[in-house]
Amino acid sequence: EVQLVESGGGLVQPGGSLRLSCAASGFTFSSYSMNWVRQAPGKGLEWVSYISSSSSTIYYADSVKGRFTISRDNAKNSLYLQMNSLRAEDTAVYYCARGETPSNPLDYWGQGTLVTVSS
Amino acid sequence: AIWMTQSPSLLSASTGDRVTISCRMSQGISSYLAWYQQKPGKAPELLIYAASTLQSGVPSRFSGSGSGTDFTLTISCLQSEDFATYYCQQYYSFPWTFGQGTKVEIK
Repeated sequence: EVQLVESGGGLVQPGGSLRLSCAASGFTFSSYSMNWVRQAPGKGLEWVSYISSSSSTIYYADSVKGRFTISRDNAKNSLYLQMNSLRAEDTAVYYCARGETPSNPLDYWGQGTLVTVSS
Repeated sequence: AIWMTQSPSLLSASTGDRVTISCRMSQGISSYLAWYQQKPGKAPELLIYAASTLQSGVPSRFSGSGSGTDFTLTISCLQSEDFATYYCQQYYSFPWTFGQGTKVEIK
């Protein structure tokens, strides 16, 4: 069974940093591209970042470029999102989601982890 | 970036109704379109990909159509478990974008 479990969310002050993790199981993690998608409270979905299976290709939404860094450790079946210079508008539930390639949709999602940026 | 217009934002319907949700792109995306269902407090779930292909396990009352710039999600006979929010998403080019969402509520 495919499982994606996010962790690392919490309350952080504006300008602060946080690192999210996503633990994957039930599939060959190293063969799949991965993504982060977020959802602000009461709002719609926003794609945040993409990383290819080998980490050779990475994309970011303009809203997080230069502040967030996506990475993965295929030996640990884990995906990460390092978030720096956090702003109030980054407050959201962050989901990790699997997509086999850039030409495939997001077929499995984690349950999400809440990040709250507030003083 | 490719902009998406999803409509309506709110749809009031009754069990047994046929409902249609539209998604229009600012430029052509071939068939690189997915539909997701999200229930309150839960992660989105993939319903349809490649505009019209049903994800494994999704009931056949869900269907998708379209290509290029105009796409449609149809639920042929609304069931109680279908009351949720639906999103379209293009995966034709980065940055990937989602529609604004359509909440299907009980009339």
